[in-house]
Amino acid sequence: AQRVTQPEKLLSVFKGAPVELKCNYSYSGSPELFWYVQYSRQRLQLLLRHISRESIKGFTADLNKGETSFHLKKPFAQEEDSAMYYCALWSFQKLVFGTGTRLLVSP
Amino acid sequence: DADVTQTPRNRITKTGKRIMLECSQTKGHDRMYWYRQDPGLGLRLIYYSFDVKDINKGEISDGYSVSRQAQAKFSLSLESAIPNQTALYFCATIDSNNEQFFGPGTRLTVL
Repeated sequence: AQRVTQPEKLLSVFKGAPVELKCNYSYSGSPELFWYVQYSRQRLQLLLRHISRESIKGFTADLNKGETSFHLKKPFAQEEDSAMYYCALWSFQKLVFGTGTRLLVSP
Repeated sequence: DADVTQTPRNRITKTGKRIMLECSQTKGHDRMYWYRQDPGLGLRLIYYSFDVKDINKGEISDGYSVSRQAQAKFSLSLESAIPNQTALYFCATIDSNNEQFFGPGTRLTVL
């Protein structure tokens, strides 16, 4: 079955520290993976997708098929990065979401 | 700007009442989705639709029904609301690149 696992419910770091939000998936085919972000009181929005291999707001994510992972990374966290982050897998015409990780960046 | 909108934004109702949540989009996308968001559970898919004649159940469709009145409108109904349906509900569309666009959400409280 298709599944997305985000093992951390909360990740708390200080401003300027590196950040890694973990995401693991299970999928039998070639996966298409996304990271979505939800800032306080706002709607979810796409942060990045593995196909585009972009860096958005300093975040990057590399697909590792051997480890079935798609971890989200940023070398220096900023306070405005505080938000809820969801990893998602495209599967049979729909997105399967992980349970989310709340990132809290303290000054 | 093309957008996804939801009404109402907040609703408090009582157990047993019928509730309809509405979603409209001006993005011109065929595919539309309804999710509920609960703390610690993430987003779970309730129903999705590829066009007005194509409705599909998601992982948690029990207790819910939907209506796709037009390409731009997709409504979610709770026929007889119960307290464990208290949640934040999101409507979304998907474009041809599989990027999902979310509405602002409806916060529903069932007393």
